[in-house]
Amino acid sequence: GAVVSQHPSRVICKSGTSVKIECRSLDFQATTMFWYRQFPKQSLMLMATSNEGSKATYEQGVEKDKFLINHASLTLSTLTVTSAHPEDSSFYICSAVLAGGKNEQFFGPGTRLTVL
Amino acid sequence: GIQVEQSPPDLILQEGANSTLRCNFSDSVNNLQWFHQNPWGQLINLFYIPSGTKQNGRLSATTVATERYSLLYISSSQTTDSGVYFCAVVISGANSKLTFGKGITLSVRP
Repeated sequence: GAVVSQHPSRVICKSGTSVKIECRSLDFQATTMFWYRQFPKQSLMLMATSNEGSKATYEQGVEKDKFLINHASLTLSTLTVTSAHPEDSSFYICSAVLAGGKNEQFFGPGTRLTVL
Repeated sequence: GIQVEQSPPDLILQEGANSTLRCNFSDSVNNLQWFHQNPWGQLINLFYIPSGTKQNGRLSATTVATERYSLLYISSSQTTDSGVYFCAVVISGANSKLTFGKGITLSVRP
């Protein structure tokens, strides 16, 4: 139980294009999902908190117009990197919290974005 | 904000050895999780342990919330235990937002 999927697992795009990453909780409902990014050999940095049916809450320094988050249902959140540039290349990871349970987070397998 | 410090930063073990990984945190927490990040980047939940002691096979963990630290024990290590181990905490009153330590890189040699 508590499986989180991400799609795509890997994406390569040209500079200036937009990329959408999906995060799904497969066997549970998640009122709250989180988006992180991780640079090589570093820890995870929280980008934003995504709540179903409301606007995402972004961490300080994260551009909300650059990283669009939509949490349309209790099992799906999407992160869109708009007008991507090479500095946006990173490993993006989502997590989900089981609705109505203890606040344990379960993580997706991550999406590796490379912007050329 | 809360500080989460993990030690040692790097650890090299011979297969079969035991080890202790430490996580210190600077404020009261209502959640603490240990993760293992495998070579493909997947974070695997090891323990949800805001307090007390838990065991799962060769792994066990203890959190002493009043003294603000947690320990992860790995016994009879195997090469598949290699990877990065993260401790992450939720500050009391901060909803579910996890703050991660910098991680401990474990290499188990055959």
